[in-house]
Amino acid sequence: QQQVKQSPQSLIVQKGGISIINCAYENTAFDYFPWYQQFPGKGPALLIAIRPDVSEKKEGRFTISFNKSAKQFSLHIMDSQPGDSATYFCAAGAIYNQGGKLIFGQGTELSVKP
Amino acid sequence: AAGVIQSPRHLIKEKRETATLKCYPIPRHDTVYWYQQGPGQDPQFLISFYEKMQSDKGSIPDRFSAQQFSDYHSELNMSSLELGDSALYFCASSPIAGGVGNEQFFGPGTRLTVL
Repeated sequence: QQQVKQSPQSLIVQKGGISIINCAYENTAFDYFPWYQQFPGKGPALLIAIRPDVSEKKEGRFTISFNKSAKQFSLHIMDSQPGDSATYFCAAGAIYNQGGKLIFGQGTELSVKP
Repeated sequence: AAGVIQSPRHLIKEKRETATLKCYPIPRHDTVYWYQQGPGQDPQFLISFYEKMQSDKGSIPDRFSAQQFSDYHSELNMSSLELGDSALYFCASSPIAGGVGNEQFFGPGTRLTVL
C-alpha cells in the first residue's frame, strides 16, 4: 500500500513554463514533507521541505503548497529550465514521533523541452 | 560542503555471496538511514541508527544486518545475495533523529548488481 501517492508519473513542460507535481498522503501522523530531485544514477538531493504549520513555502523558483485538510501538497517549479529535467520525489515523515524515516511517492519524471 | 560518502560506488556479486556497503555521514551528523531503490522505483526505507543504536527498522530482509560505529559511519551487511537484491542502496545522514532539523542528505549510492 502506497502511503504517499504522487502524480503525474511523467510530465513534459516547455522551457519557461510552470511544472506542477502533486502528492497526497493518508497518515495524519506525518509532519514533515520534503521534495527531492534525482538525476539518473545519482542520489536524491533535497530541494525544499515544509511542515504542516504553514500553507506555502518558496525558495527561488521552487514553491511547496500544502493543504492539511485535504492531506495534499504540491511542488511548483516556475520558469522551468532544461536543467530541471530529472525525477522528482515527494516524501513524508513523522519526524517527531517515529524517528524520521521518509516514505516516498512513486516519482515524477520531468522533461523540460527547450 | 562535505557530503555523505558511500563505498563502494559499484559492486558486482554472485548469488549467495556476501556484500558490505559502507556509509560515512556528514561531519557532526549522528543519524544514518539506509534506503533501497529498485530500477524505476522510489527509495524504500531499510533501517536507521541514532547515536550508534538502531532507531527504526523497515522492510529489511533478515539476511541483511547493519550497524553504526563509534565514528558514526555505518555498514550494511548483506548475505546470501539474491538476484532481487540488485538495486541502488542509499545512505542518508541527518543532524538529528526526528524533530527540528531532520533534513536528510543522501549519498551518491552504491549500485549492487547480483549475477
